[in-house]
Amino acid sequence: GAVVSQHPSWVICKSGTSVKIECRSLDFQATTMFWYRQFPKQSLMLMATSNEGSKATYEQGVEKDKFLINHASLTLSTLTVTSAHPEDSSFYICSAKHGGGEKLFFGSGTQLSVL
Amino acid sequence: SQQGEEDPQALSIQEGENATMNCSYKTSINNLQWYRQNSGRGLVHLILIRSNEREKHSGRLRVTLDTSKKSSSLLITASRAADTASYFCATDYSGNTGKLIFGQGTTLQVKP
Repeated sequence: GAVVSQHPSWVICKSGTSVKIECRSLDFQATTMFWYRQFPKQSLMLMATSNEGSKATYEQGVEKDKFLINHASLTLSTLTVTSAHPEDSSFYICSAKHGGGEKLFFGSGTQLSVL
Repeated sequence: SQQGEEDPQALSIQEGENATMNCSYKTSINNLQWYRQNSGRGLVHLILIRSNEREKHSGRLRVTLDTSKKSSSLLITASRAADTASYFCATDYSGNTGKLIFGQGTTLQVKP
């Protein structure tokens, strides 16, 4: 159990366009989801905490108008990279917290390439 | 930055050998977790050790925690080629909110 599905796995887009990434908890309800960014051979950097039914909490230095997060249901959070630029190219990963459990369940990640 | 540090950054061993990775952190923690990441994929939870625990085992994995030194180690015994991956420690400092601080990771290569 506790499966998190993330789509798409990879996306290539033109500079200036917006890209939406979905993160779904398939067999549990996730009141809290997290979005990370990971550069090659580096660690995960937490971008924001997504709470169902309320505004996301962004980490310092992350532009909330650039990275729009919506957590409209207990099983779906979306990250929209608006007006993407080549420097936004990265691997984006989501995770979900299952109830009061302490461990996180991760999606398989999305590789974004902005041309 | 509150990020922890891991060493070594990269480790290459032969199948059957043991692999040891170390993690140091900076803040007081509730628990410390180890995750595995295959190239280009998400992370998979391996093991969790609480701040009041000193050692924990799960199959071929052994984790130790020394809160006085703010450090942890992950030992993989009798390694297999399939263990090739990156391993990250992550500390929960926020009282089970799910906000974890990840270490820099150790890339393990197990040669057949």
